[in-house]
Amino acid sequence: AQKITQTQPGMFVQEKEAVTLDCTYDTSDPSYGLFWYKQPSSGEMIFLIYQGSYDQQNATEGRYSLNFQKARKSANLVISASQLGDSAMYFCAMRATSYDKVIFGPGTSLSVIP
Amino acid sequence: SQTIHQWPATLVQPVGSPLSLECTVEGTSNPNLYWYRQAAGRGLQLLFYSVGIGQISSEVPQNLSASRPQDRQFILSSKKLLLSDSGFYLCAWSAGLAQSTDTQYFGPGTRLTVL
Repeated sequence: AQKITQTQPGMFVQEKEAVTLDCTYDTSDPSYGLFWYKQPSSGEMIFLIYQGSYDQQNATEGRYSLNFQKARKSANLVISASQLGDSAMYFCAMRATSYDKVIFGPGTSLSVIP
Repeated sequence: SQTIHQWPATLVQPVGSPLSLECTVEGTSNPNLYWYRQAAGRGLQLLFYSVGIGQISSEVPQNLSASRPQDRQFILSSKKLLLSDSGFYLCAWSAGLAQSTDTQYFGPGTRLTVL
């Protein structure tokens, strides 16, 4: 079965600090992709970063990086130098090659404190 | 570049009334299209997806239906709304890659309140 777990319903971080949002996944497919999305209060889901299961390097996109630990089946999002605009819901998602749908986690609410 | 539009942005409808939400994509051809619903404070629930004109797959049995009359147009409909249909409806597109790299990109969403 395909499953995404995000165990942190809510997180707080001081502005300019780094924060890690946890994500663990479950799949028996050796080929899969992992995605992170940001959903601000406006509602739009914004794609942030992608990591493939065969990628050797951790993905990075600006202030976002993905700490991919394949053996532990974890794909944590790291946001460096947090900004007030980073306050939002963050969703981890996965698509296995053998399964033509994306599975989303329940999300983590991040609040950046000035 | 690709752009995805949804309208209306917000909608308040009485129970039993019909519904039509529209989604269009620009800047790409033959995309996969998706309708999701998100209840307040909850995750995303996939409702329908389409890999081509007239091809609709339903994920959850309900009083909603979807249609794809044109390549880049996806419509979500209901003949009679229920209170439980309230929520935030998101349309998404992807390039339709067979691999796990097929990233979904979302529209701005429609907030539906059924009274």
